[in-house]
Amino acid sequence: NAGVTQTPKFRILKIGQSMTLQCTQDMNHNYMYWYRQDPGMGLKLIYYSVGAGITDKGEVPNGYNVSRSTTEDFPLRLELAAPSQTSVYFCASSSGQGRDYGYTFGSGTRLTVV
Amino acid sequence: QQQVKQSPQSLIVQKGGIPIINCAYENTAFDYFPWYQQFPGKGPALLIAIRPDVSEKKEGRFTISFNKSAKQFSLHIMDSQPGDSATYFCADYNQGGKLIFGQGTELSVKP
Repeated sequence: NAGVTQTPKFRILKIGQSMTLQCTQDMNHNYMYWYRQDPGMGLKLIYYSVGAGITDKGEVPNGYNVSRSTTEDFPLRLELAAPSQTSVYFCASSSGQGRDYGYTFGSGTRLTVV
Repeated sequence: QQQVKQSPQSLIVQKGGIPIINCAYENTAFDYFPWYQQFPGKGPALLIAIRPDVSEKKEGRFTISFNKSAKQFSLHIMDSQPGDSATYFCADYNQGGKLIFGQGTELSVKP
């Protein structure tokens, strides 16, 4: 039972480069989320999706894009990497929305932009 | 932006001590307050949660106490162990049903 799988685990990017952070879940969850974690700042919601083909912005979406072509996959795209995007990125999923629906998180991708 | 304010940012206790982590919320959409536990190199995982129709919730050595009038809730870890060393996040739900997290507390339990 894999749960939520994120790849890669680590990545170093140069300023201006682009990359895609991969996220896949095998729990048939409709709801998926991307958070970034910075020291002392907690987790901030970047984008979320309520089902295949439906995505929306969270609290800190600038500099990122997402797509949701299947229930399983929810990739996060960085088009022009900036040092401010150095962070740990977590993908999560849930079977529903609101209380009684806990989030299942992946193990994260640690990204450094130099 | 809706916020959940968490303190302290870090905490060091001896084995057997009772660390206490505090959170304050502004508004809540679902009247449900979960705590997540995160070990180094891992993603957060749901630890315990409380609905505000009760003032306290216990699961093993973990207890949440809730003060609705003050809009505050706290996590207590009884008889803390080195294996409890982790980062703890309190959370609330915004009007859109998405989790918003506190700033996190890095707990270290010394042997």
